[in-house]
Amino acid sequence: DQQVKQNSPSLSVQEGRISILNCDYTNSMFDYFLWYKKYPAEGPTFLISISSIKDKNEDGRFTVFLNKSAKHLSLHIVPSQPGDSAVYFCAASAGNTPLVFGKGTRLSVIA
Amino acid sequence: DTAVSQTPKYLVTQMGNDKSIKCEQNLGHDTMYWYKQDSKKFLKIMFSYNNKELIINETVPNRFSPKSPDKAHLNLHINSLELGDSAVYFCASSLRSKGQGRDTQYFGPGTRLTVL
Repeated sequence: DQQVKQNSPSLSVQEGRISILNCDYTNSMFDYFLWYKKYPAEGPTFLISISSIKDKNEDGRFTVFLNKSAKHLSLHIVPSQPGDSAVYFCAASAGNTPLVFGKGTRLSVIA
Repeated sequence: DTAVSQTPKYLVTQMGNDKSIKCEQNLGHDTMYWYKQDSKKFLKIMFSYNNKELIINETVPNRFSPKSPDKAHLNLHINSLELGDSAVYFCASSLRSKGQGRDTQYFGPGTRLTVL
């Protein structure tokens, strides 16, 4: 039972363009969402988060949008850079519960 | 100056063996975690310790036993290894207590376990 779904296993984007990574969730109790980035042979690193009381959070080139009614969030990267090529994991939690991760989306930014 | 380190990085072993994976964090965090990333790429929490106290124990076979000698270390011992235990195991830590999902977690580089 996947509570956090990242339906696109991979995404290719030209350098300088926008990358949009999507995430859907099924548990309506989730109230905090995070994105982690993972390079090969390394552990995931925290990128950006959003609380359910907001619908947008921005940090430099990274913006996360949350649509609670659709149980959907997305990560926008503008402009995309080759160094952004990595696997991006969406994660969610409800209150004090442990994080639930999606399967990840592999982003390739082509120069 | 590695924040969260794990040893070994790779572990290849036979079915039925017992093995341990070590984790250390030098961030001064109170909480440490073990995650398993299986062949389907899902990253799932196994255990969480806060100041040497077990606070999260997901449905994991009791062949897996975490041990925390102090709050900077969380080791994972696995008895009677099975083929299905093959996965990448990640250690992580976070600053605050009680392992809240809101805490930013810092991950180690992972240990790739292959059971033959």
